[in-house]
Amino acid sequence: GQQVMQIPQYQHVQEGEDFTTYCNSSTTLSNIQWYKQRPGGHPVFLIQLVKSGEVKKQKRLTFQFGEAKKNSSLHITATQTTDVGTYFCAVYNTDKLIFGTGTRLQVFP
Amino acid sequence: DSGVTQTPKHLITATGQRVTLRCSPRSGDLSVYWYQQSLDQGLQFLIQYYNGEERAKGNILERFSAQQFPDLHSELNLSSLELGDSALYFCASSATGELGEQYFGPGTRLTVT
Repeated sequence: GQQVMQIPQYQHVQEGEDFTTYCNSSTTLSNIQWYKQRPGGHPVFLIQLVKSGEVKKQKRLTFQFGEAKKNSSLHITATQTTDVGTYFCAVYNTDKLIFGTGTRLQVFP
Repeated sequence: DSGVTQTPKHLITATGQRVTLRCSPRSGDLSVYWYQQSLDQGLQFLIQYYNGEERAKGNILERFSAQQFPDLHSELNLSSLELGDSALYFCASSATGELGEQYFGPGTRLTVT
């Protein structure tokens, strides 16, 4: 079945440093979503990308969908302690939302 | 607050028992999804209902079943519980059940002892 890998699994950064997580698939994706889950919380939708090469920004967050629609990235500029959590990519495959393995971000003040 | 409610928040039960988890979707959302999140398996899709009908099935065990009622709330029934069923169970809802944002509830933490 569809598998979506995310790297890295963990990332520890100093506050103010940048952070990037990557989502990779072996097959072409029709779309990709990103979610954030704070420690002890539930996943919260961040964004959806559908077009090849699409780039979307939300304040310090930049989301990109690869030209071949097989990968995506989430980049956070100048991390803050409020960015702590696990970031998941997710793709729709035959009516199912398949979540990536997630990247846990820890930000040290 | 996503607008999705789940009860109970925590559940502790013994192996072999049966439990029911309840979910109320956001007002107006027709689609409900159930997910299981455990440390070693990540976030796994279990099943989706749309307006009362089962629409998609994921890695849901035969011991598990779900339904969506006319008022659109949903229940996930877990039976013959095993230690490995201990996990966080999330419900999510969306307006149409197709491509788009899903709103997650706070989850039910199930501990099987």
